[in-house]
Amino acid sequence: QQQVKQSPQSLIVQKGGISIINCAYENTAFDYFPWYQQFPGKGPALLIAIRPDVSEKKEGRFTISFNKSAKQFSLHIMDSQPGDSATYFCAASGYSNYQLIWGAGTKLIIKP
Amino acid sequence: DAGITQSPRHKVTETGTPVTLRCHQTENHRYMYWYRQDPGHGLRLIHYSYGVKDTDKGEVSDGYSVSRSKTEDFLLTLESATSSQTSVYFCAISGTSGNTIYFGEGSWLTVV
Repeated sequence: QQQVKQSPQSLIVQKGGISIINCAYENTAFDYFPWYQQFPGKGPALLIAIRPDVSEKKEGRFTISFNKSAKQFSLHIMDSQPGDSATYFCAASGYSNYQLIWGAGTKLIIKP
Repeated sequence: DAGITQSPRHKVTETGTPVTLRCHQTENHRYMYWYRQDPGHGLRLIHYSYGVKDTDKGEVSDGYSVSRSKTEDFLLTLESATSSQTSVYFCAISGTSGNTIYFGEGSWLTVV
């Protein structure tokens, strides 16, 4: 009930392509779904987040798609660039911060 | 940067010795967290604090203790370090509104 399953574990995309990372959750009480980006040697940083009242949120080249009925959400990176190479984590939470449940992470490599 | 300082950033210690990691924030945020990050496990919550002297356990709290005597400082102590506690430790903070968590830059701990 508390798990967030993230896939794929690793992903290689050509420069200019679309990177897609998927997450699935079980707990229907979750109401906040953030994505974090982590560069080597750094802490994770919030990239984009969505709440279940919308099906899509876009910020620049980054888009979250949310499917409430399927209990899935995904991160799309358009026109992927080498600078996007990082580890991406999805997460989900209910009404309080400390219940943030994390996916296992996806290591994304963008090939020039 | 979110005004979070972790110390030490790197430490090598021997099995059985006590170790204390310090997290200092300048944001006056109410919530503070300690996570550990290991390959294949993503981010796992060790302990969190919701105020001065108010702390609670996360999902992997065995072998760890915490203290928060001031709003700005959150200490993580390994009473008797074991090799399984070799990891990267991240401190994080969040305010009372919203779910955004800000991470420090990490403390690399090696137990030999």
